[in-house]
Amino acid sequence: ETGVTQTPRHLVMGMTNKKSLKCEQHLGHNAMYWYKQSAKKPLELMFVYSLEERVENNSVPSRFSPECPNSSHLFLHLHTLQPEDSALYLCASSQDLGGTQYFGPGTRLLVL
Amino acid sequence: EDQVTQSPEALRLQEGESSSLNCSYTVSGLRGLFWYRQDPGKGPEFLFTLYSAGEEKEKERLKATLTKKESFLHITAPKPEDSATYLCAVSLNSGNTPLVFGKGTRLSVIA
Repeated sequence: ETGVTQTPRHLVMGMTNKKSLKCEQHLGHNAMYWYKQSAKKPLELMFVYSLEERVENNSVPSRFSPECPNSSHLFLHLHTLQPEDSALYLCASSQDLGGTQYFGPGTRLLVL
Repeated sequence: EDQVTQSPEALRLQEGESSSLNCSYTVSGLRGLFWYRQDPGKGPEFLFTLYSAGEEKEKERLKATLTKKESFLHITAPKPEDSATYLCAVSLNSGNTPLVFGKGTRLSVIA
């Protein structure tokens, strides 16, 4: 596989469930990102990792928990979500923090 | 505060009707300006990077230009398949911060 991949592509979960989103990049990049995009709204940067260290956390509720075990993988752990968390969750990677970001296809999340 | 503003918010064109999208920026120091295309429900697709005023890049019916204050994405003789949201983003000279994205322009091309 090439580029940035995300799994699952679609996810439906109840408010009491725990699930995880996975992102993998095959580009040899050093920075990875999680974005949230609600319907017809702009991108919202959630988390940034550089060289496996979290460098930015934009006031995201604690029910979202990121994990970056190595430079190629990024996870977003979800627990006790709210219906307003339903959105498209996008992962991206770049060579460095200010470089071109390449996005994955996204995970469409629906919280019931 | 570093800002990126895109206009118009939405644009509706007839097939073949050329137009331009605007991205204006107020940043402390520009390292690069990026254009992306995003189809509904999909991740943004990288189109161009521009680094210095006067630079231009082209891809099929799209041409991006850059000045010291703004960038334009010119769309020549658009087709319905050009319908998408076009995002602009900037990278700062500090180099240690992520891209700052604009809110996008939703383009609809009607046959």
